Amino acid sequence: TQLLEQSPQFLSIQEGENLTVYCNSSSVFSSLQWYRQEPGEGPVLLVTVVTGGEVKKLKRLTFQFGDARKDSSLHITAAQPGDTGLYLCAGLNSNYQLIWGAGTKLIIKP
Amino acid sequence: SQTIHQWPATLVQPVGSPLSLECTVEGTSNPNLYWYRQAAGRGLQLLFYSVGIGQISSEVPQNLSASRPQDRQFILSSKKLLLSDSGFYLCAWRGVQGYYEQYFGPGTRLTVT
Repeated sequence: TQLLEQSPQFLSIQEGENLTVYCNSSSVFSSLQWYRQEPGEGPVLLVTVVTGGEVKKLKRLTFQFGDARKDSSLHITAAQPGDTGLYLCAGLNSNYQLIWGAGTKLIIKP
Repeated sequence: SQTIHQWPATLVQPVGSPLSLECTVEGTSNPNLYWYRQAAGRGLQLLFYSVGIGQISSEVPQNLSASRPQDRQFILSSKKLLLSDSGFYLCAWRGVQGYYEQYFGPGTRLTVT
């Protein structure tokens, strides 16, 4: 069974701090997607990383795909209250199925 | 552009009652459609997916069922709800281009009492 483990499960920090969220697996994925979900709403796609070692930036968010395509990280610089939410990673396996992580709940305190 | 709708937004139902949740997609043809359930603050559990009208694949055996009577309509049903069916139900469609990204509806909050 393929698993994607996200860490930490929960993170609460002050506005202005930096943070990193991890998404790890022992399996190789052809691509990896990151979503953000706000309470009471559906997840929204943030980015897809495809190539091993790829780095994508979305304003203060930096996403990286591991060289072996087994892991990914999301780094937020100078976090703001608007970054609060549940961050989900999902990997696309060789059967074209999305394998979902359990999520990281992020709270940014003003 | 594509839009996905779900209703109702919230639902409170007694144990043993039936359930029908509806999802419709606009702006795309023959989408792959998905039903997920999510416990509070946690990840997504895939319940059903459909690649076309009348074609349903079940990922988790339980007292829920799904149907796809029209190309852009996906329905989640139950004949008799259990307390454990409470949760946040999400419908999603998959893009035909790109890397199989999924696009979600606003969700239905179901509370079984």
